[in-house]
Amino acid sequence: NAGVTQTPKFQVLKTGQSMTLQCAQDMNHEYMSWYRQDPGMGLRLIHYSVGAGITDQGEVPNGYNVSRSTTEDFPLRLLSAAPSQTSVYFCASSLRVGPTYEQYFGPGTRLTVT
Amino acid sequence: DAKTTQPPSMDCAEGRAANLPCNHSTISGNEYVYWYRQIHSQGPQYIIHGLKNNETNEMASLIITEDRKSSTLILPHATLRDTAVYYCIVSPLSNDMRFGAGTRLTVKP
Repeated sequence: NAGVTQTPKFQVLKTGQSMTLQCAQDMNHEYMSWYRQDPGMGLRLIHYSVGAGITDQGEVPNGYNVSRSTTEDFPLRLLSAAPSQTSVYFCASSLRVGPTYEQYFGPGTRLTVT
Repeated sequence: DAKTTQPPSMDCAEGRAANLPCNHSTISGNEYVYWYRQIHSQGPQYIIHGLKNNETNEMASLIITEDRKSSTLILPHATLRDTAVYYCIVSPLSNDMRFGAGTRLTVKP
């Protein structure tokens, strides 16, 4: 299993540009999430999905869109990039163990908006 | 609102046990305690979780107080590779986990 993969690893955008961060998992997990991590800070939840066709907002959803058309893929779209969105973005998928979840994280995408 | 409180940093000697505390005085009855760690700039790694009983796996032990208001993650024999930021998270049955600032553990030779 490749686990959780994210592309690209690095990206530089100009203010106002849009782009999609890709996330894929091959573990057949129902739950997937997107987090951002600013320098020296903990992770903050952007959006999450409990299954194909179902998404919900997390702690900091503004400026981002998601969709979940398949179990494997959970792309994150930046609609109009702003310098405040400079961050490291982590995607995670979750294994359900009884009533609880263990999250598996991808390697991250480092985004700089100038 | 912060649901957990952790010390910002701790040191531990290599080969000794690392005991990382976490306060979660407002934990609800259906909330689990999860621990993750993040080594350097990698994605976080799941360590362990529990509800009210103590738990142990190949990585660590989790001790939860009887009133569930605090817990301790124990790495029994810390190595240099255990240097990381450790996150204590309380979460209900949903997948909405909120990471705080964590504890930066430095294992020293």
